[in-house]
Amino acid sequence: KNQVEQSPQSLIILEGKNCTLQCNYTVSPFSNLRWYKQDTGRGPVSLTIMTFSENTKSNGRYTATLDADTKQSSLHITASQLSDSASYICVVSDGSSNTGKLIFGQGTTLQVKP
Amino acid sequence: NAGVTQTPKFRVLKTGQSMTLLCAQDMNHEYMYWYRQDPGMGLRLIHYSVGEGTTAKGEVPDGYNVSRLKKQNFLLGLESAAPSQTSVYFCASSYSSVYAKNIQYFGAGTRLSVL
Repeated sequence: KNQVEQSPQSLIILEGKNCTLQCNYTVSPFSNLRWYKQDTGRGPVSLTIMTFSENTKSNGRYTATLDADTKQSSLHITASQLSDSASYICVVSDGSSNTGKLIFGQGTTLQVKP
Repeated sequence: NAGVTQTPKFRVLKTGQSMTLLCAQDMNHEYMYWYRQDPGMGLRLIHYSVGEGTTAKGEVPDGYNVSRLKKQNFLLGLESAAPSQTSVYFCASSYSSVYAKNIQYFGAGTRLSVL
């Protein structure tokens, strides 16, 4: 069964600190992997998209990594800010059809405290 | 830029009532999607459309119907609402298939409670 699992479920860090969120997937065949940020009460916003040939993708203070061999991805947040408090969702595109079905993880809730 | 707009933002229904959720996008995107988000679960695809006049079932289509009469609009209908349909509904759109690296753009969501 195609699944996307994220850890930890929730995380609290102090402002200015770094953190890393994990994503493991069993989706096959694989097309691409995405990280979304979802603020409370808002829709998800795309942060990065990576194909199997891309190991790293950055978007400002956000850096995503992908290991297609172990089927793992991580999202690293550098020098966290209060505005980083949100849910971060890992999403994998199933490559079995050209419409690209997306499989969503449950998300990691990050709280940044002053 | 409006992007993806969902109406209404909130709604409370009684069991058995019907309603339509409207999604409008101004980016000339071909693909549009309806998802539901429930506590402790990832977003689940209800229905999607790959172009004007087309619709297809997603992961959890039962109890919902959709229509895409105009390219910019994607409507989600609940014919006879049930408490199990209490959820937050998100509409999204993309230029083309997410099989490629096309970005999905989401609306702000509709919070629906069915009593």
